[in-house]
Amino acid sequence: GDSVTQMEGPVTLSEEAFLTINCTYTATGYPSLFWYVQYPGEGLQLLLKATKADDKGSNKGFEATYRKETTSFHLEKGSVQVSDSAVYFCALSDQGAQKLVFGQGTRLTINP
Amino acid sequence: EAGVAQSPRYKIIEKRQSVAFWCNPISGHATLYWYQQILGQGPKLLIQFQNNGVVDDSQLPKDRFSAERLKGVDSTLKIQPAKLEDSAVYLCASSQPGLAGGRYFGPGTRLTVL
Repeated sequence: GDSVTQMEGPVTLSEEAFLTINCTYTATGYPSLFWYVQYPGEGLQLLLKATKADDKGSNKGFEATYRKETTSFHLEKGSVQVSDSAVYFCALSDQGAQKLVFGQGTRLTINP
Repeated sequence: EAGVAQSPRYKIIEKRQSVAFWCNPISGHATLYWYQQILGQGPKLLIQFQNNGVVDDSQLPKDRFSAERLKGVDSTLKIQPAKLEDSAVYLCASSQPGLAGGRYFGPGTRLTVL
């Protein structure tokens, strides 16, 4: 079945560092890909998405590019802030958009 | 626009007791989901409703879990009786057609079973 694998955390960085959180997927067909973020004490929020190969999703300085050839959707940010501390989830949905499959999440901590 | 509302936010019970969670989705969202998020894992879908009909409940432990969505709006998820392994955050989400799989999530209910 469809699955998502994220790099294991926790990840700890200093403010203004470059961030990469790796995400790879296994799916039949052409899924849509998502990054969700969960701030402490809050529910999941959609951060960005891409619906077809080579699409780049972006939001709040974060970017991810849908790479079909490597089945990847890595999350990047050029300069992280303390407020980016959260748990990040990579996810995919099938073409029918009925099922949303999550990775295990990566906890990110940014130190001032 | 109001978000997905859930209550209670926290619940502590002893094993074999019963518990119920409530969810009010975003107005106009026909699809409602209940997810279970165990510590250190991604959310797992328990049940999906389209209006007041069940679309997918394949991962719902039906011997102890039940859910309903009367009138196609609010929903309740019940566990009876609870087990220690049910300790988790229970997330409610809603969506509408055209979101390409995106969901709006509530803040969740953190359940601790002692």
